Amino acid sequence: NAGVMQNPRHLVRRRGQEARLRCSPMKGHSHVYWYRQLPEEGLKFMVYLQKENIIDESGMPKERFSAEFPKEGPSILRIQQVVRGDSAAYFCASSVGRRDLGGYTFGSGTRLTVV
Amino acid sequence: QKEVEQNSGPLSVPEGAIASLNCTYSDRGSQSFFWYRQYSGKSPELIMSIYSNGDKEDGRFTAQLNKASQYVSLLIRDSQPSDSATYLCAPPTGGSQGNLIFGKGTKLSVKP
Repeated sequence: NAGVMQNPRHLVRRRGQEARLRCSPMKGHSHVYWYRQLPEEGLKFMVYLQKENIIDESGMPKERFSAEFPKEGPSILRIQQVVRGDSAAYFCASSVGRRDLGGYTFGSGTRLTVV
Repeated sequence: QKEVEQNSGPLSVPEGAIASLNCTYSDRGSQSFFWYRQYSGKSPELIMSIYSNGDKEDGRFTAQLNKASQYVSLLIRDSQPSDSATYLCAPPTGGSQGNLIFGKGTKLSVKP
């Protein structure tokens, strides 16, 4: 039973390019969460999605960032026109239900480096 | 603003000692609490969950919850160097959303 799969593991982008981060939740999980972790900082919530719905995007920067979780395929976190400050580890997590008493399962993360 | 406070450390304990990690939270609606462990360069890993007041033990780990004081702690007995990591406390935000809000974490170092 595969866990939460994230790819790529490492992504290097030049300033101004687009970054696309993918997340496939655990089998049977329909709730996906994206978190960002800056170096030496804690995990910051970005967005919570279910299939074809954004439930809570209160942690998403207002510009350049978007997320989707289509009916088919992985969840995508898209960052347009990346800047150096976007360099961070981006973690995806999934859960069975909205208030999952079992907590979240995290993927291995995508380390984004903007040069 | 829902907040989670943790002592960032580093907390240094000798091998075999008890490590005590603390967390306070501001959202009285939080019902379940999770402790995650994160090794450097790795993703967070769930190690404990607790839902009711009191203690919950799992091997060398004991989670303690006091909802009246809005306080949750994690005790690690017989600490090992392999326990050296950052420990993240995570109560849900409460309400209808349920997404986890994490503290900044406490960095634990267990010295051989």
